[in-house]
Amino acid sequence: TQLLEQSPQFLSIQEGENLTVYCNSSSVFSSLQWYRQEPGEGPVLLVTVVTGGEVKKLKRLTFQFGDARKDSSLHITAAQPGDTGLYLCAGANAGNMLTFGGGTRLMVKP
Amino acid sequence: SQTIHQWPATLVQPVGSPLSLECTVEGTSNPNLYWYRQAAGRGLQLLFYSVGIGQISSEVPQNLSASRPQDRQFILSSKKLLLSDSGFYLCAWSVGLRYQPQHFGDGTRLSIL
Repeated sequence: TQLLEQSPQFLSIQEGENLTVYCNSSSVFSSLQWYRQEPGEGPVLLVTVVTGGEVKKLKRLTFQFGDARKDSSLHITAAQPGDTGLYLCAGANAGNMLTFGGGTRLMVKP
Repeated sequence: SQTIHQWPATLVQPVGSPLSLECTVEGTSNPNLYWYRQAAGRGLQLLFYSVGIGQISSEVPQNLSASRPQDRQFILSSKKLLLSDSGFYLCAWSVGLRYQPQHFGDGTRLSIL
């Protein structure tokens, strides 16, 4: 069984601060996806990383896939209140089945 | 464009009652379909997935069942609900290609009394 450990579980920061969310596993994934979820809604895809060592940027969000494709990180620069939400990482296997991490609940205070 | 519909949005049911949650996808053919359950503010647990009509795979033993009577319809059912069935249920679809994301509905909040 593939497991993904996500940390931290909760994060409360002030507007303008930087933060990093980590997603770690002992298993290798064919790709790693990051989702963001608002209360009462389904998760929405932010990015998919496929190649070991790959870095993708989405405005103030930077996503990195580990060289061995076992871990990933999400870094947010100068966080805004609009970044508040639940961030979920999900590792995909060869059959495109997803294993989700436990989520990081981020609150950005103005 | 593709859309996914889940209903109802919220549901309150007594223990021992039956359950039927419905999910439909529009704008795509032969999608992979998934049912997940999510504990409050936590990650998603895969319950069932389907790669075609009548083809259902169960990931965890439980009090629930799933059916796919039509290509773009996925139903989550129970004959007798338990208190532990409370949660947020999400339906998702994807195409059967590598690296493709899953697209989620807005979920059903199920409360068992």
